[in-house]
Amino acid sequence: RKEVEQDPGPFNVPEGATVAFNCTYSNSASQSFFWYRQDCRKEPKLLMSVYSSGNEDGRFTAQLNRASQYISLLIRDSKLSDSATYLCVVDDSWGKLQFGAGTQVVVTP
Amino acid sequence: DAGVTQSPTHLIKTRGQHVTLRCSPISGHKSVSWYQQVLGQGPQFIFQYYEKEERGRGNFPDRFSARQFPNYSSELNVNALLLGDSALYLCASSPTDEQFFGPGTRLTVL
Repeated sequence: RKEVEQDPGPFNVPEGATVAFNCTYSNSASQSFFWYRQDCRKEPKLLMSVYSSGNEDGRFTAQLNRASQYISLLIRDSKLSDSATYLCVVDDSWGKLQFGAGTQVVVTP
Repeated sequence: DAGVTQSPTHLIKTRGQHVTLRCSPISGHKSVSWYQQVLGQGPQFIFQYYEKEERGRGNFPDRFSARQFPNYSSELNVNALLLGDSALYLCASSPTDEQFFGPGTRLTVL
């Protein structure tokens, strides 16, 4: 079983719509959680950290459910520029990042 | 401010050769990590260094080695290259737990 699992998608989203997707992680001792965004053939870029109480950054909302060991990302009012692969990332207690394979989001006009 | 830099950007090698990849972290960041990303997958952790000491190692063979220098830059070495080593090699630096990635080195092994 992979340590971090994500639905690969693609999620095809009309511009202006809302899209949400999850990932699950296997290590209950994981301490830190992140969403990274990766554009085609580019490096991953930090989108946002995920906190236990949930957090929002503009149109992006992240939630963490420790009991069920899943993390979610919701994008509101989708823009064409939101098209990318979203990587769910879990940090083991000593700083080793575990990446999911990514969820592809395609925003269409 | 300069971000993480990596060199070279692209590299083509043949099976059995060795390769050295280089990374310069963001100024002030003392931790450097290396990741391998094969097409269609997420990055896989290879090494983490902090203050020149290895803090962690992923599930990679001994053909992979790394080191960190006093100026916090780092090298990743891979010996006896295999076709399966073809990938994007990413370096990330961090002040705490958030990691910032460089543009990567794309290695092709023929």
